[in-house]
Order: sequence, then structure tokens, then C-alpha cells
Amino acid sequence: DMKVTQMPRYLIKRMGENVLLECGQDMSHETMYWYRQDPGLGLQLIYISYDVDSNSEGDIPKGYRVSRKKREHFSLILDSAKTNQTSVYFCASSANSDYTFGSGTRLLVI
Amino acid sequence: GDSVTQTEGLVTLTEGLPVMLNCTYQSTYSPFLFWYVQHLNEAPKLLLKSFTDNKRPEHQGFHATLHKSSSSFHLQKSSAQLSDSALYYCALTGNTGKLIFGLGTTLQVQP
Repeated sequence: DMKVTQMPRYLIKRMGENVLLECGQDMSHETMYWYRQDPGLGLQLIYISYDVDSNSEGDIPKGYRVSRKKREHFSLILDSAKTNQTSVYFCASSANSDYTFGSGTRLLVI
Repeated sequence: GDSVTQTEGLVTLTEGLPVMLNCTYQSTYSPFLFWYVQHLNEAPKLLLKSFTDNKRPEHQGFHATLHKSSSSFHLQKSSAQLSDSALYYCALTGNTGKLIFGLGTTLQVQP
């Protein structure tokens, strides 16, 4: 069964702490994505990765960075988290215009 | 750049009535258009994906027709069910491979 797996599912961090969100896929998809979802704002693209070490900013990259050292693994890093980064984060992967989403990570920054 | 517009934030209707959720788009490319459905606390799941102009994909009673002339991909269903209550996103992908979403429409179906 093709899957995108996100860890952790829920996370509470204090303002100023570093945050690591992890995403894995078992489909050998080249392209992976990180989105955040906020009420009334839809799904906003943070970063897109076209393959290992080939990453590109999305629409809202400020305050985030990413790492992709293996094709099946794509990490989102928040250096010094801010309260306005409280959100639900979704990872996705794609091939041939077929997109698969993970179950999301709910991040609360207090 | 590419964009998707969903004009209704909330649509409320009675079970059994027809559903139509609006979606228009702007793209300099010939994009694929998608409808995703998201139930509470779940991931977005693909509902429909466009084919070529005027072909009509269907899934779970929902259908949508891509009209390039009007840049539209409206979602329709003849008879709403209570289980259709969810958040619906229209999205497109252009030549960059980015999947770009509209703001979403919440559909509430009442008994």
C-alpha cells in the first residue's frame, strides 16, 4: 500500500525552540512537498523538493528550511519556532500528476 | 502566476439537493485540475482529476468538467448525502509541478 508517513502526529513546542518534522514515502517519488494548513487560508506551499538536494521555495518559505538527503525522506525544520507557526503541516509526494498526502502533523507553539 | 479561485467559503444545503461547488483558475500553461476532499482531522484525498477538455471524470457520484474556454472546473453531484459534509479543495498543477490550492469550500449537508 503506497504511503506517505509523517512523524510526529502531534507536537507542542515553546517559542524559540527548534522543531523537526519528518516525512517518509515508500513510492520512490522524486518530488515531495511541505504545506501548512490554516483555517480560511487553504493549503499553502512552503517548500518543494524535486529530488535529493534539489529544493525550491514555495509561496511561504520564510522561517522554514528543508533537508532531503535521501529520496524517500524529506524534513521540515523550524529554527527558533514562533507562535504564528502553529498550524497543521502536511507532507506530500507526487509522480505523473498523482499526489499522495501524509496524515499531517499538528504543531502548537506556545 | 498560477492561481485557483473558490468563491464560496461555506455551502449549506439539505440532503437530496444538488451540489455545485465553483472553481475557476488562471494558468499560462495547460494545467491538470483536481478536486480534493478533506474530512475532519484527516488528510486531503483525491476526489477527481481532469482529463482533456470536455471529458468528465466521475467518482463517488461527483463529477466535474474542465472548460478551458471559461477556465472552470466546477464540482457537481445530483443528490447530496450527509456523508458528503467535508472541506473541498480545487487545485491545479502547471509546468512547475507545484500543486496549487484554492482556499477551500466547506460543504455542510443537513438532514
